[in-house]
Amino acid sequence: GENVEQHPSTLSVQEGDSAVIKCTYSDSASNYFPWYKQELGKGPQLIIDIRSNVGEKKDQRIAVTLNKTAKHFSLHITETQPEDSAVYFCAARGFQKLVFGTGTRLLVSP
Amino acid sequence: EAGVTQSPTHLIKTRGQQVTLRCSPISGHTSVYWYQQALGLGLQFLLWYDEGEERNRGNFPPRFSGRQFPNYSSELNVNALELEDSALYLCASCWVGQGGDYGYTFGSGTRLTVV
Repeated sequence: GENVEQHPSTLSVQEGDSAVIKCTYSDSASNYFPWYKQELGKGPQLIIDIRSNVGEKKDQRIAVTLNKTAKHFSLHITETQPEDSAVYFCAARGFQKLVFGTGTRLLVSP
Repeated sequence: EAGVTQSPTHLIKTRGQQVTLRCSPISGHTSVYWYQQALGLGLQFLLWYDEGEERNRGNFPPRFSGRQFPNYSSELNVNALELEDSALYLCASCWVGQGGDYGYTFGSGTRLTVV
């Protein structure tokens, strides 16, 4: 079945630095790739998504890139702020459902 | 627009008991997905309901079941609770746009603790 791998599992950066989280997926038919931010005690919140007909998408400090040939996609956060600290999940929409990566705990130190 | 609402927010049950969790999707959304998130782990797909029918289920035992009502709200039932069922149960509402686009919005979840 569909599998999504996510790296790193933890990421510590200084405020103002950039953070990059990478995911690979196994199902070549996947066509939708969202990224979610989950804060303690809350449900996942969509922060950006990309579809298979697009290679890159940017929304202010957040960008996502997709390489369909290599079957991997990445989240880039620039000018990180302490409030960016959370767990981030990538996902790929395979057959009828979203399959999630295992999450990256991002810690942004002031 | 109200988001996805889940109830209850927290629940404590004893091993062997049964539990029912509830989800109301965003108005106009007909699809509901259930996920299990055990502590410190990722989201595991449980069930998908659309237009009142179960469309797909994940690799979970039959004691995990559910249903979707005519108003598209949904229930997740777990029978014969086991300690490892302790987790955050998340419901997601799926929208489909005119151009074939879609997206998933999650609720805040129900934290189930089995003792």
